[in-house]
Amino acid sequence: NAGVTQTPKFQVLKTGQSMTLQCAQDMNHEYMSWYRQDPGMGLRLIHYSVGAGITDQGEVPNGYNVSRSTTEDFPLRLLSAAPSQTSVYFCASSASGSGNQPQHFGDGTRLSIL
Amino acid sequence: GENVEQHPSTLSVQEGDSAVIKCTYSDSASNYFPWYKQELGKRPQLIIDIRSNVGEKKDQRIAVTLNKTAKHFSLHITETQPEDSAVYFCAASSRQGEYGNKLVFGAGTILRVKS
Repeated sequence: NAGVTQTPKFQVLKTGQSMTLQCAQDMNHEYMSWYRQDPGMGLRLIHYSVGAGITDQGEVPNGYNVSRSTTEDFPLRLLSAAPSQTSVYFCASSASGSGNQPQHFGDGTRLSIL
Repeated sequence: GENVEQHPSTLSVQEGDSAVIKCTYSDSASNYFPWYKQELGKRPQLIIDIRSNVGEKKDQRIAVTLNKTAKHFSLHITETQPEDSAVYFCAASSRQGEYGNKLVFGAGTILRVKS
């Protein structure tokens, strides 16, 4: 099992550019989520999904878009990149549709916005 | 919404000593409390978790205690070893969203074990 796979691992963007961070899991997990990690602030939830076709906002959703067309994939879209979105992004999945089970994290995407 | 505070932000202990990290939460409806360990440049990994119907849970050198009345929970690591050095995050999960639970993390504790 690969677990949770994130691509790319590193990315540099210019302000205003858009891009999609990919996340895929092969554990048939219902719950998937995106977090950003900034120094001294822990992990903050951006968006989450409890199954295909169902998504909801987290703590810091502004500037990000998600969709869940399949159980396996949960891409995160930056609509117009801003320097404040420079961060490490983690995708996670959990077996329970409610999210009340251990979350398995991917290796992260390190994103720099110039 | 839920708010989780974690203390201390840094903790240095001598190898073999115990380490304790404390977290408080604000939402009395929170019912799941995991702890994650993150080594430098790596993904967070679950080390132990506890649910609201349990007061204490232990796994070898690691234990977690939960006080629902006071809304705080703690991580206890005994007989610390250099490989315990990492950043530790607590989190609390509650039904805040329309569809499912949201996990709110503390800011993290940098644990350094000196040999």
